[in-house]
Amino acid sequence: SQQGEEDPQALSIQEGENATMNCSYKTSINNLQWYRQNSGRGLVHLILIRSNEREKHSGRLRVTLDTSKKSSSLLITASRAADTASYFCAFYQGGSEKLVFGKGTKLTVNP
Amino acid sequence: GAVVSQHPSWVICKSGTSVKIECRSLDFQATTMFWYRQFPKQSLMLMATSNEGSKATYEQGVEKDKFLINHASLTLSTLTVTSAHPEDSSFYICSASELAGRTDTQYFGPGTRLTVL
Repeated sequence: SQQGEEDPQALSIQEGENATMNCSYKTSINNLQWYRQNSGRGLVHLILIRSNEREKHSGRLRVTLDTSKKSSSLLITASRAADTASYFCAFYQGGSEKLVFGKGTKLTVNP
Repeated sequence: GAVVSQHPSWVICKSGTSVKIECRSLDFQATTMFWYRQFPKQSLMLMATSNEGSKATYEQGVEKDKFLINHASLTLSTLTVTSAHPEDSSFYICSASELAGRTDTQYFGPGTRLTVL
């Protein structure tokens, strides 16, 4: 399998600032998803962007997808301390039903 | 939304014992269930894919005799870690897919933390 790469690995910001996380992948994809995981907890699905979409918004979240560069970014605007978590991108490899996760970005939002 | 539960949420066992983890889809029928393992500060790695009524498909490097998966019904899959050792200590997460072949909808359970002493 080809795991996605995310950067940065860790990000620490102040409340109110924006946080941007990037994900790169190597295979063709139908869609790309972003998940949040609070420490020691399960995954929360945040947003899905399809390969024919370039940008998608959900509340304070903005996701972009550039299939030519095989990359996606997740922007969290006006961050809050409650946004502190690890964020993972995930995608299906070549049309299979196997979901491959990126290595994740650990976001810390300081109050 | 679709809900997936896992039981237990955490378990501590002695080395050499077997531990069973249940994954249930509460409000939908799961044609396919997936089991992931997550080591501390790492990402999720797929262990196996199970389809109701058939044998699980294991990822490369995952011992099928050690990690027994049973998907006996459309709402329940179990993962049994046999003869557990300290290196099996990890966070195990299941997910369920409602329709076979769909590639955009997996619902995740809350995870089970296994600690082997």
